[in-house]
Amino acid sequence: DTEVTQTPKHLVMGMTNKKSLKCEQHMGHRAMYWYKQKAKKPPELMFVYSYEKLSINESVPSRFSPECPNSSLLNLHLHALQPEDSALYLCASSHPHGLAGTYNEQFFGPGTRLTVL
Amino acid sequence: AQTVTQSQPEMSVQEAETVTLSCTYDTSESDYYLFWYKQPPSRQMILVIRQEAYKQQNATENRFSVNFQKAAKSFSLKISDSQLGDAAMYFCAYYGGVADMRFGAGTRLTVKP
Repeated sequence: DTEVTQTPKHLVMGMTNKKSLKCEQHMGHRAMYWYKQKAKKPPELMFVYSYEKLSINESVPSRFSPECPNSSLLNLHLHALQPEDSALYLCASSHPHGLAGTYNEQFFGPGTRLTVL
Repeated sequence: AQTVTQSQPEMSVQEAETVTLSCTYDTSESDYYLFWYKQPPSRQMILVIRQEAYKQQNATENRFSVNFQKAAKSFSLKISDSQLGDAAMYFCAYYGGVADMRFGAGTRLTVKP
């Protein structure tokens, strides 16, 4: 299994809603990532989990709250978002940095296209 | 901070011909990885090719090859025998560790039949 899955594919929410994005991988990767991607732009790193611990938070507003319940799952909880948060949210996974015998390329999911009204 | 520069926002190639996409990067590290990712319109981002900085030999994957010039900090992608399915946004990426993954701005490749 070399796939990263994300649900839902599309999400429309109001500014007062609470919703969650989900990501799952079964490749044995112990590093997982959330990115935000605007149209025609590169992905911007939001959060990194390494061995289920949050290791990087790129100054993301608190209305985005990540969670890593286990080594296969990654969630992104959304609350009180703004219209400018509308974007494609990508999840990725990889082997942790420095793990002998592995490469560090990230495998990406198909993304969740989020629209905030 | 490490930066990745793709100086060609758009490129076009005739089907069956060869095209080269440019990428330069800035780093003070000696151990890192470089990647080219492909993102077709409304589709998933997938890895095209990777290069370990400590390897002098240029990576190749079928019709895709790179020209890695470590001293010049250059990492270009050559696509041979271009196919319609190669049309996509191509991102060059630098990986220096879990906390250090940087993407270039991307090059949109159009393939003309």
